[in-house]
Parts: sequence; structure tokens; C-alpha cells
Amino acid sequence: KQEVTQIPAALSVPEGENLVLNCSFTDSAIYNLQWFRQDPGKGLTSLLLIQSSQREQTSGRLNASLDKSSGRSTLYIAASQPGDSATYLCAVNPGNKLVFGAGTILRVKS
Amino acid sequence: DTEVTQTPKHLVMGMTNKKSLKCEQHMGHRAMYWYKQKAKKPPELMFVYSYEKLSINESVPSRFSPECPNSSLLNLHLHALQPEDSALYLCASSQDEGQEQFFGPGTRLTVL
Repeated sequence: KQEVTQIPAALSVPEGENLVLNCSFTDSAIYNLQWFRQDPGKGLTSLLLIQSSQREQTSGRLNASLDKSSGRSTLYIAASQPGDSATYLCAVNPGNKLVFGAGTILRVKS
Repeated sequence: DTEVTQTPKHLVMGMTNKKSLKCEQHMGHRAMYWYKQKAKKPPELMFVYSYEKLSINESVPSRFSPECPNSSLLNLHLHALQPEDSALYLCASSQDEGQEQFFGPGTRLTVL
């Protein structure tokens, strides 16, 4: 059974810092991996999608990497801003559904 | 149109009521999903529809009944729910199974 773990569970940083969120998964047989952002009480916003054949994807200040063989992905956020404060969820897709990690709650202090 | 819409935004219902949640997308996606998210927990898959046919039911109680009337619409019919069913219900769609999923804003359901 696929299990997804995210570390740390919570993170508080001052504005302007670069930071890394970690995601690990137990079964490397995945189609893709998605990183999402969720604001309190809201739906999920897709940030980045990495296909299983890719090593990384970039969008603006965000960079996500994937090492399928070791079952790891990282989300790098450059020059963090207070507006980045949210819960970040990692999800792997074994083919027909998403399996989510518990998320990292990020707080960026101004 | 690149969004998934869900109605209503909020729903309060008693345990004897019957209600429905609606989800719509106009991106031509052929896979649609229902997820349930309890407070401070990640979303959990309930149902998957692929090409308007139910392909996955994650052992969801029969008081939840999904329906896919056409390729753009997905409903979730609710009957005789329990207070522990209170949660955020999220709909998502993708071009096909295994592709990038796009989520709607969710329906916040409270069962009294």
C-alpha cells in the first residue's frame, strides 16, 4: 500500500528565506507526483506536476524535484513571502487516484 | 474555461435529509473524482468516474451515492448521513486517469 510522508509537519520562517519541503513515498510505481497548496477552508491549488520520467519542474519561485528510485521529492520555495503561508500537500498518482501526504503547514513571518 | 466549480459552497443538513452536491467542469476532462477531507487531514479518495462510468469506489458507505449524468457533471447524492460525515467534499477532474488533477473549491458539509 502506497504511503506518503511529509517533513516537516510545520515550518515557520522569516520573509525572504529560501526553504525546502520534503515528501517521501513507499512505492516507486507512480505515474506522476503533484504538489498542491491549500489555504484554510479552501480547495487545492495545483502548483507543480512532475511526470515519473522527469527529474524536476519549475514555476516562478517554485522548483520541485523527483527521485523515483529513492522515493523522494522536494519542493523548493525561493525568497519566501507572507502570501506563501498555507498548507503544502504532496500527492503521488499510482494511475487512478491521488495518495496524499499529511501536509506541511508553512508560516512566513513579515 | 480552466476551472472546476462546485455547488453549494456550504451545506447544513439533518440526519434524515436528502441533499446533493454538484460538480462541473468544461475542460473536456474524461475522469472525475470525489474526495473527502476531514479537518487537519489530507483528502481521501471516495469515487472515480472514467468516461462516465464508475471505476473506483473506495468502500464508501451506501449513504453516499455518486452519479455522472454526462462528461461535464458529477453529483454526489447524500441520504441519512451521520454527524461524522461532516467534512469538506472536494471534486477534481483530469484529462484521463493518471493525468494532472484539478480541484474545485469544495463544499463544506455539516451534518446535525
